[in-house]
This record gives sequence, C-alpha cells and structure tokens, in this order.
Amino acid sequence: DARVTQTPRHKVTEMGQEVTMRCQPILGHNTVFWYRQTMMQGLELLAYFRNRAPLDDSGMPKDRFSAEMPDATLATLKIQPSEPRDSAVYFCASGLVVGGKPGELFFGEGSRLTVL
Amino acid sequence: KNEVEQSPQNLTAQEGEFITINCSYSVGISALHWLQQHPGGGIVSLFMLSSGKKKHGRLIATINIQEKHSSLHITASHPRDSAVYICAGIQGAQKLVFGQGTRLTINP
Repeated sequence: DARVTQTPRHKVTEMGQEVTMRCQPILGHNTVFWYRQTMMQGLELLAYFRNRAPLDDSGMPKDRFSAEMPDATLATLKIQPSEPRDSAVYFCASGLVVGGKPGELFFGEGSRLTVL
Repeated sequence: KNEVEQSPQNLTAQEGEFITINCSYSVGISALHWLQQHPGGGIVSLFMLSSGKKKHGRLIATINIQEKHSSLHITASHPRDSAVYICAGIQGAQKLVFGQGTRLTINP
C-alpha cells in the first residue's frame, strides 16, 4: 500500500538546536509539498518541488528554514536554529502532476515538533 | 479576505443527520480538495474535483464553477465521521490554498 512516510513522528528539542525532518514521497510522484499546521494559523504551505526542483518556497522563513530534495525518494526540511514559535505539525504530501493538471494528493502522518 | 472560506466553523449533530459543509473560493482556483483530519491524526484527501459531483460511500462532494462554491455532504452521519474537514483550493498545478476548516462532531 503506497504511502508518504515522514520521520520523525515526534521531536522535542531545545531552542537553538538544528531540526531535520524527512519525507519519502510515493514512488512515481513528481510533486512534493511541505506544509505546517498550527492552531493559530491552520495549514500553511512552506515549499514545494516538481521533479526535485524547488517551485515555491515563499512561505518559508528563509533565514532559518531550508528545504531540499537530494533525490527522488527523499525530501528534507531543516530548521537551524529552531525557535519555540516553530512548534507545529509539519506535513509532507506528494502527488503526480501530468500535463499541468493536478492529481490526487497524499499526505504523510506528520512530524510533531516541540521546541522548548 | 481569505481566498477560501468555509462554513460553518463548528458543527455538532446527532447520529443519522444529514450534514452539509460549504466552501466558497476566489478567482484563480481551478479545482479543490476536500480533506479530512481526525483528532491527532493525519490528513486524507476525500475528493478532488473540478466540476460536477463525486460520491464515495456516504460522502458526496459537489462543485459549481460559475458560483465558485463547493459543498461536502455526509448522509446518515456516524460518530466516526467526527473530524475536521478542510476545503483546499488548487491554484495552478496543485498549489493548495486552505480554508479554515470545519470541526464536525457527531453525537451518538
């Protein structure tokens, strides 16, 4: 059963530490998204990739966040240094876009980050 | 003004009732997803639609392109339908703009 896999599921860290979250998209999907969910803001797009190239990272605080796709099976989201306001659930999602038309979207279980 | 507006924000109903959640969206959105999120859980896309109507079990989603409006209906609601339902508009090729979500509680 194909699914998007995220690690870690839970992470508690201290302010100032580096945090790396990983996502394995569904094999064959060409579009990968990173979203953040908080009680106050709801779901927000941080960044997304098409065929491993970043298409939009305007939702991401550039000074501390970075997102990469080193290969087609791995997307990473890194926060350095982390701050308490980064505490949230981070979701990865993947989908297949063909001919500019969106397809079904599949979400990972999320990574719950707590920064103390 | 948000690009995607949902109503109601909260909805409580008795088991068996017919449920409707509404979503209005702005220009630039070509299609949308209805997402479901159970408490503490992940997110599942229930439907993606750009026209007409889709049905899956007790769930029905409709969209009116001219009026820029979509609805999610649940027939014969059940306590396990209790979740947050999120309307997400698609801009371009799959960039999502999210509504605020509707928290649905179905009491037995």
